[in-house]
Amino acid sequence: QKEVEQDPGPLSVPEGAIVSLNCTYSNSAFQYFMWYRQYSRKGPELLMYTYSSGNKEDGRFTAQVDKSSKYISLFIRDSQPSDSATYLCAMSANSNYQLIWGAGTKLIIKP
Amino acid sequence: GAGVSQTPSNKVTEKGKYVELRCDPISGHTALYWYRQSLGQGPEFLIYFQGTGAADDSGLPNDRFFAVRPEGSVSTLKIQRTERGDSAVYLCASSLNPGDNEQFFGPGTRLTVL
Repeated sequence: QKEVEQDPGPLSVPEGAIVSLNCTYSNSAFQYFMWYRQYSRKGPELLMYTYSSGNKEDGRFTAQVDKSSKYISLFIRDSQPSDSATYLCAMSANSNYQLIWGAGTKLIIKP
Repeated sequence: GAGVSQTPSNKVTEKGKYVELRCDPISGHTALYWYRQSLGQGPEFLIYFQGTGAADDSGLPNDRFFAVRPEGSVSTLKIQRTERGDSAVYLCASSLNPGDNEQFFGPGTRLTVL
């Protein structure tokens, strides 16, 4: 079993819908949780960064962490075709560089 | 400002050959990371530099892989005796300070070993 599990998709939704992306993990030591967006043939780009449990909101994006369930989510409101990309979760046990990554979920927003 | 750049963008080589992949981090960033990303997978950590020194090379898969950063800026990932299993996208990232969780990624070098 992988340390971080993420449904590869693809997830296809109509423009304007609310999107929910999720990861589960097994290592209870993880404290730092990140969501990256990766467009085709590009490197990952940091979207959201959360420490420990709770919610964080930034514009149309909301990240949630539930450490008791070892489950993290990214919500995208008012989704746009430009949001079509692969979304990767990543996490680490402390503020270091060794991120453990999910495999990514491919998201398609249909106009 | 300029982001992380990587050259070449694509590299096709034959099994057994030697390749070098270059990374130019964001100016002033002291930390530099190399990752490998296979199709349909998340990035896999290879090596991390603080300044000129490799602070952690535990992710390098074997001794065919080596990386340097002689002046604390540009880094080169070197792969000897390439194998077909080395085919992947090699990503470089940099961060302003060591230990920063926000890493800025380059577009990657797509390596294909025939």
